[in-house]
Amino acid sequence: AQSVAQPEDQVNVAEGNPLTVKCTYSVSGNPYLFWYVQYPNRGLQFLLKYITGDNLVKGSYGFEAEFNKSQTSFHLKKPSALVSDSALYFCAVRGYNTDKLIFGTGTRLQVFP
Amino acid sequence: DGGITQSPKYLFRKEGQNVTLSCEQNLNHDAMYWYRQDPGQGLRLIYYSQIVNDFQKGDIAEGYSVSREKKESFPLTVTSAQKNPTAFYLCASRGELGNQPQHFGDGTRLSIL
Repeated sequence: AQSVAQPEDQVNVAEGNPLTVKCTYSVSGNPYLFWYVQYPNRGLQFLLKYITGDNLVKGSYGFEAEFNKSQTSFHLKKPSALVSDSALYFCAVRGYNTDKLIFGTGTRLQVFP
Repeated sequence: DGGITQSPKYLFRKEGQNVTLSCEQNLNHDAMYWYRQDPGQGLRLIYYSQIVNDFQKGDIAEGYSVSREKKESFPLTVTSAQKNPTAFYLCASRGELGNQPQHFGDGTRLSIL
């Protein structure tokens, strides 16, 4: 069965410092992996995806993610956090032969000035 | 601009009442989805449709119904059989290619009176 784990409910980081939001997954076959961000009372906004190829994926707003097949991880990173990055972040996985997207429980990122 | 429109933004339901949430997209996407979001639980799939006049149950379909009579519309009815309907409901759509991300509307918040 497919699953996604986001082990941290909340991540706190000072503005200007690097940030990491963790995600591990379990899926049969090669995964399609996604990161989304959600601001209060809004829908999810797509940040980036990994389908195949380079393990370092670059996305919107300066975010990037590193795919690690041996550790089945897809951590979200940003070199320098902004207060405006404070939001709820979701990792999601889709197996090769299914249309269902499985979401993690979300990680709240709080960036302090 | 292309996008997904959900209405209303806020909805209140009385006991024993059915309510219908609207989802319209002008992205020309074939696939559409309904999710339920509860605090700390991430997103859970209610129903999805890959083509007009066809839809499948997701993980938590009990107490919900859908229709897909037009490509651009995928309304969700929350029936009186759904005993805990209070949640944030999100509609999404996806383009043809299998590796495309889902695009989300801004949600409908449903509460019980």
